[in-house]
Amino acid sequence: GESVGLHLPTLSVQEGDNSIINCAYSNSASDYFIWYKQESGKGPQFIIDIRSNMDKRQGQRVTVLLNKTVKHLSLQIAATQPGDSAVYFCAENGNYKLSFGAGTTVTVRA
Amino acid sequence: GAGVSQSPRYKVAKRGQDVALRCDPISGHVSLFWYQQALGQGPEFLTYFQNEAQLDKSGLPSDRFFAERPEGSVSTLKIQRTQQEDSAVYLCASSPPGQGKVREKLFFGSGTQLSVL
Repeated sequence: GESVGLHLPTLSVQEGDNSIINCAYSNSASDYFIWYKQESGKGPQFIIDIRSNMDKRQGQRVTVLLNKTVKHLSLQIAATQPGDSAVYFCAENGNYKLSFGAGTTVTVRA
Repeated sequence: GAGVSQSPRYKVAKRGQDVALRCDPISGHVSLFWYQQALGQGPEFLTYFQNEAQLDKSGLPSDRFFAERPEGSVSTLKIQRTQQEDSAVYLCASSPPGQGKVREKLFFGSGTQLSVL
């Protein structure tokens, strides 16, 4: 069965606002998580990752938060831009397999 | 090339036909993966190669699916006697040599969209 899942299938955000995409996982032994962005007609593209010994990691305009107590992680995108419109997946990486959730489609309104 | 290359980009097959999907990984990448992505879903693992060795094929849906990577570079995913439920995007990904577990981020190709009529 699916080990990771997202709360909302779609998110509409005003350009310039911050976006928050949520994801829940069920395997308490999971120790490595990745967020991917998939634009139409393309393969998933790595955004940011986090290991279970951390609760926060920041990249360029993106922040991932991990709450192991409730098995939840989130991706925050600062100052959302039109180019951020895409489907976002959280994935749990075991030894080598990625287990993806169903994805959240983010639409940026001008 | 700079990234993972997959061909063909689109494939339309009649039910019962055999198809072959090609993946050219990034040069020097040891690990290669195939994923299947149904419409509106996240990718699902199919199989994993390390060099020419197929280390895990547990995700292949049936014995109609076969993958190979004979020289440890290019890989082919073959589907025999295609069925409508095989319609999906087939993604290939590769990753460079790492230490111990394959935990590096994967580089995905743009996929082959297979439509079985």
